[in-house]
Amino acid sequence: DVKVTQSSRYLVKRTGEKVFLECVQDMDHENMFWYRQDPGLGLRLIYFSYDVKMKEKGDIPEGYSVSREKKERFSLILESASTNQTSMYLCASSSRLNYGYTFGSGTRLTVV
Amino acid sequence: AQSVAQPEDQVNVAEGNPLTVKCTYSVSGNPYLFWYVQYPNRGLQFLLKYITGDNLVKGSYGFEAEFNKSQTSFHLKKPSALVSDSALYFCAVLSGGYNKLIFGAGTRLAVHP
Repeated sequence: DVKVTQSSRYLVKRTGEKVFLECVQDMDHENMFWYRQDPGLGLRLIYFSYDVKMKEKGDIPEGYSVSREKKERFSLILESASTNQTSMYLCASSSRLNYGYTFGSGTRLTVV
Repeated sequence: AQSVAQPEDQVNVAEGNPLTVKCTYSVSGNPYLFWYVQYPNRGLQFLLKYITGDNLVKGSYGFEAEFNKSQTSFHLKKPSALVSDSALYFCAVLSGGYNKLIFGAGTRLAVHP
C-alpha cells in the first residue's frame, strides 16, 4: 500500500526551539508539499518541492524552511518555534503525471 | 489568482437524504478541480477530480460532483447520505505549475441517524 509517512502524530515543543517535521513517501513522486491546517482557514501551502534540492515558497513561508536532500524525504523546519505555529501540519506528494495528492496522516504541533 | 470558496461551514443532513456540499471557483483558464475528505485525526483522502470531459464526475464512496462552468461551481453530491459520511470536506483547484493545489476552508458534514 503506497503511502506518505509523517514521523510524528503529536509534538509539543517550547517557544524558540528548532523543530523538524519529517515526511517520507514511497511512490517515487517528484512533487512534495507542506501545508498547515487551521480551523476556518483550510489548508495553506507553506513550501513545496518539485525535485531533489529544489524548493519553492508557498503562500505562508515566513518562519519556516525546508530541505529535500533525497527524493523520498521532505523536511519542514521551524527555525525558532512560536506559539502562532501551533497547528496541524500535513505533508503530501504527487506525481508530475497525475494531479492527485497522497497525504500523510498529519502532525499536530503544539508550541508552548 | 486561483481560488475556491466553500460558502458553508457546516452542512447537516439526515441519513438517507441526498446531500450537497457547495464549492465555487475563480480561475483564469480551464479549471482543474478536486474534492478531498478528512476523517477525524487523519490526513486528506482523494474523492474525485474534474479535468475535462463530462460535467458529472463520479468518485469514491458513491460521491459525485457536477461541474457548472456558467455558475463557476463544482458541488459535491451524494444521493443517499450515510452516518459514516460525516467528515470534513475540502474543495481544491490546481494553481500554477508543479501540481500545486489551493484549498477551500472546508465544510463539515454531519449526517444524523
